[in-house]
Amino acid sequence: KQEVTQIPAALSVPEGENLVLNCSFTDSAIYNLQWFRQDPGKGLTSLLLIQSSQREQTSGRLNASLDKSSGRSTLYIAASQPGDSATYLCAATLTSGTYKYIFGTGTRLKVLA
Amino acid sequence: SQTIHQWPATLVQPVGSPLSLECTVEGTSNPNLYWYRQAAGRGLQLLFYSVGIGQISSEVPQNLSASRPQDRQFILSSKKLLLSDSGFYLCAWGMGPGANVLTFGAGSRLTVL
Repeated sequence: KQEVTQIPAALSVPEGENLVLNCSFTDSAIYNLQWFRQDPGKGLTSLLLIQSSQREQTSGRLNASLDKSSGRSTLYIAASQPGDSATYLCAATLTSGTYKYIFGTGTRLKVLA
Repeated sequence: SQTIHQWPATLVQPVGSPLSLECTVEGTSNPNLYWYRQAAGRGLQLLFYSVGIGQISSEVPQNLSASRPQDRQFILSSKKLLLSDSGFYLCAWGMGPGANVLTFGAGSRLTVL
């Protein structure tokens, strides 16, 4: 059974700091991995999608990497801003032929001005 | 462009009353559709997913049910709500076996009293 874990559960950093959010999954046979952002009381917004054949994806100040062999993905946020404050969730998609996205419990990020 | 709509946004219901949450997707055909629940302090729990009209897969035994009467319509129902059904319900859509971005609706906040 695929399990997805995110550490830390919460993180508070000063503005401008570079930071790394971690996501671990137990079954390396994933189809892709996605990172999402959730603002309080809102739905989820997709940030980055990494296919299983890829090692990383970049969008602006965000960079996500994937290491299937070690069961890890990281989300790197450069030069953090107060507007980055939100909960960040990762989701692993099981291998081709299934349709399930398994989510981690999220990392609640607060960037202090 | 594709859009996803969920309603109602907020719902307060007494224990034992029925429930109907609706989700519709525009701008695409034959999407995979998902219902997730997010309880306070917990991650996203996959409740149901559907790969086509009338095809529903249930992930968690509960007093909830789902139906897909049309290609782009997904309904979450209950005949009698329990206190434990309170939570934030999120509908999402994606294409293929996890090959594309998972897109979420804005969510429906259910409080059972």
